Amino acid sequence: QLQLQESGPGLVKPSETLSLTCTVSGGSISSSNYYWGWIRQAPGKGLEWIGSIYHSWRTYYNPSLKSRVTISAHTSKNQFFLKLNSVTAADTAVYYCVRGVPFYYGGDEAGESHFDYWGQGALVTVSS
Amino acid sequence: QSALTQPASVSGSPGQSITISCPGTSSDVGSYNLVSWYQQHPGKAPKLMIYEVTKRPSGVSNRFSGSKSGNTASLTISGLQAEDEADYYCCSYAGSSPVVFGGGTKLTVL
Repeated sequence: QLQLQESGPGLVKPSETLSLTCTVSGGSISSSNYYWGWIRQAPGKGLEWIGSIYHSWRTYYNPSLKSRVTISAHTSKNQFFLKLNSVTAADTAVYYCVRGVPFYYGGDEAGESHFDYWGQGALVTVSS
Repeated sequence: QSALTQPASVSGSPGQSITISCPGTSSDVGSYNLVSWYQQHPGKAPKLMIYEVTKRPSGVSNRFSGSKSGNTASLTISGLQAEDEADYYCCSYAGSSPVVFGGGTKLTVL
């Protein structure tokens, strides 16, 4: 059974960089044709897609966060990572790591269809 | 990238059917059969309930069904049960702005 687990600091100071790790067990992030990504949820708010990585190097980001986000992967450790810089209180949220299922157009992978596995979530608070 | 507009809340009695709408645009819901729905109980991670508009993952009750007409997707829950009380989120592929979520709908089982 595939499992995803977020880890990282629960408190980050304003203007600093939020860094989270997602450790995947029960499957390999390098040998499968899936996206691996991040979704967040501010307290009492809805879900917001942050971005994804595909085949360990192709990245896709939410346009509203693109200038501050980096998603990367370490395939030998079966982990992928989120870095969000210049954080403010508005970045306080529960951050979920997810597996995204691709859809295909003309035989080629063309984007994410849906998210079938989710981590339990990690609350990150931005405060001095 | 604007969030899809869902009603803030819906309610129904046990045994009834309810429908949650997810109005989008021709740039997202209307252009792609790539709408998914997620159920979230308080303090828990979201759970995939419907994908590609109408498909149910293994293990999801057939009381849950999805549909789409034009730019609006819908989730219907029939035979409402107390355990269905949760927040529900729609999600759509949106092309150049790849993924967009709805604002969420709180379902109350009366």
